[in-house]
Amino acid sequence: DSGVTQTPKHLITATGQRVTLRCSPRSGDLSVYWYQQSLDQGLQFLIQYYNGEERAKGNILERFSAQQFPDLHSELNLSSLELGDSALYFCASSVGGRSSYEQYFGPGTRLTVT
Amino acid sequence: DQQVKQNSPSLSVQEGRISILNCDYTNSMFDYFLWYKKYPAEGPTFLISISSIKDKNEDGRFTVFLNKSAKHLSLHIVPSQPGDSAVYFCAALHNAGNMLTFGGGTRLMVKP
Repeated sequence: DSGVTQTPKHLITATGQRVTLRCSPRSGDLSVYWYQQSLDQGLQFLIQYYNGEERAKGNILERFSAQQFPDLHSELNLSSLELGDSALYFCASSVGGRSSYEQYFGPGTRLTVT
Repeated sequence: DQQVKQNSPSLSVQEGRISILNCDYTNSMFDYFLWYKKYPAEGPTFLISISSIKDKNEDGRFTVFLNKSAKHLSLHIVPSQPGDSAVYFCAALHNAGNMLTFGGGTRLMVKP
């Protein structure tokens, strides 16, 4: 158990809808990262938050947004969903900065868009 | 453009033998490398890492080697055990940021 929790575990929704994925980092970790793993691709970095502020952005679509709350949990919002958004979405956390490079991953949320 | 590549999608090894998983990268600004193991229906689990100032790091049965001039790293598992069967991802950290760039993964199967 990495200490990172993600809810829900599975999500099935229709095209055009909006969903919110939730992540709680390990106790003491200030950084949260979101990754997408599609069937035919490896893990793709989406976005990082550090202590409530956006720190880095990767290949995140404009239809997607994220935030980190004062209690450090994070939410990833996916809107106007398309079939191609079906994927595993992972959240990871780390202490933050470059003092600790290892990121610890949650179990993921499997999103299916029909 | 894939900056981190794992050219072998799968590898099969007999229990007790050595498993060698390879990873190549193109960006010379990567300065820290990590290996993750992933079982089905679980998130990736951190395994071992190496800084670019080193060429070897060992942790029990796992050793990571880094060849900076060749931009190549490898993970050695000795001896391999059936419980090591999983997908292994190498990842690289850019010296200016915290985001990890992952390779596509190698599925390791250790046969009893």
